Formats: sequence, C-alpha cells, structure tokens
Amino acid sequence: DAKTTQPPSMDCAEGRAANLPCNHSTISGNEYVYWYRQIHSQGPQYIIHGLKNNETNEMASLIITEDRKSSTLILPHATLRDTAVYYCIVREWGNKLVFGAGTILRVKS
Amino acid sequence: GAVVSQHPSWVICKSGTSVKIECRSLDFQATTMFWYRQFPKQSLMLMATSNEGSKATYEQGVEKDKFLINHASLTLSTLTVTSAHPEDSSFYICSAGGGKNTEAFFGQGTRLTVV
Repeated sequence: DAKTTQPPSMDCAEGRAANLPCNHSTISGNEYVYWYRQIHSQGPQYIIHGLKNNETNEMASLIITEDRKSSTLILPHATLRDTAVYYCIVREWGNKLVFGAGTILRVKS
Repeated sequence: GAVVSQHPSWVICKSGTSVKIECRSLDFQATTMFWYRQFPKQSLMLMATSNEGSKATYEQGVEKDKFLINHASLTLSTLTVTSAHPEDSSFYICSAGGGKNTEAFFGQGTRLTVV
C-alpha cells in the first residue's frame, strides 16, 4: 500500500509556481521521497528524489521537512505542459515503487 | 536520463489469444525490472518484479500462470498475457533501474485491447 497522502487535485495559473504537498508521516530512516509525473497515456516520468536535504534540479525543487513527515514539490514556473498526475512515493533503495492516487495538477492559462 | 523502451505501443488481439510485450533498457543493464498495469482513471498497480535469470515475484492477486514474465538478459524482460480476455484490456507499463539511490525509468507503456 502507498505510504503517502496527496490532495486529489490542484489548479495552478500558467507562469506561477506550483506547490504540490505530500504527507508521509510513517516514513522510515532509510526511505527516500520520490516524485514522478504521468502525462495522459504515457509512462511515468522521473522528476526528483531526496532523503532529508532539499533538492533542486532543472525540473523542480523538493522541500522535505526536518522531521521528514512531509514534503513539497515545487515547479517554479508552471506551463500548460506540466498538466499531469503527480505521484509522491517513499521507497527504500532498490525497492519497488508503489504508486498511490497522486495529485492531478491542472495548469490553466 | 536512461531510456526504457516498450514494444508494441499498442496492440489489439482476439479473446483467447496470447500477447507478448517487450521491455528493453537501452543504455544500461537492469537486473530487476517491474511490470505495472493501469486501468482508466486509476493509478499504476504493480504486478510483478522481474529478476534476471530467476523467477519473477508476483504481487498478491496477480495470476502468475496468466501473466508470464521472462527476464532472460540484463536488457530485456517480456510480459506475456496468456489466453487474454476483455477484462485484461489495460495499459501495461514496465520500469527498470532504481537501484541504490537512483531513480527508476519507465517505458512509454503498451495499450492492450482484447476484443
């Protein structure tokens, strides 16, 4: 079973930052937080992952709270092409990825 | 990032026939691959873990005799849906990679329609 809780849907204006929250209150010390997204009828796309430090790459930033019980994925300047289902997943090294329901992000012009 | 390729992208087959889906890691070796199934408006459901050179590990409720998995090399895993029925119509997705502190990469998916 998925170990994360995400809001079912969110809207964001084009050009604005999209902040997607995720709760993972039962995360264990050796579990990483991963974010993937899935655009309609495609395979999931990796976005970012982290253990306890905040992470940033060319796609997004990941902010993990100090107690690691929650995190936020930030898309700094959302575009229409960012409309997708975003999945927050906690996973140990090398273990399988178990997907929850995710958050449907709708970017609107 | 690494590339995982699935073939075919879509397939239509008659009820009772078998369909094979291939998953290839194009630029890295994968001792483990994963197979998922996704029904419309639902999330991905893990079906099985494919292990190179050994038997696959199936998730609870997935029929191993119906969904045959073969992982004969470090770059190829296949999923065969045997005696397909309309209820097997779904989007099948594989992933590879995801070892120590690395991300897993997904194929583009295969849309199976059984008529």
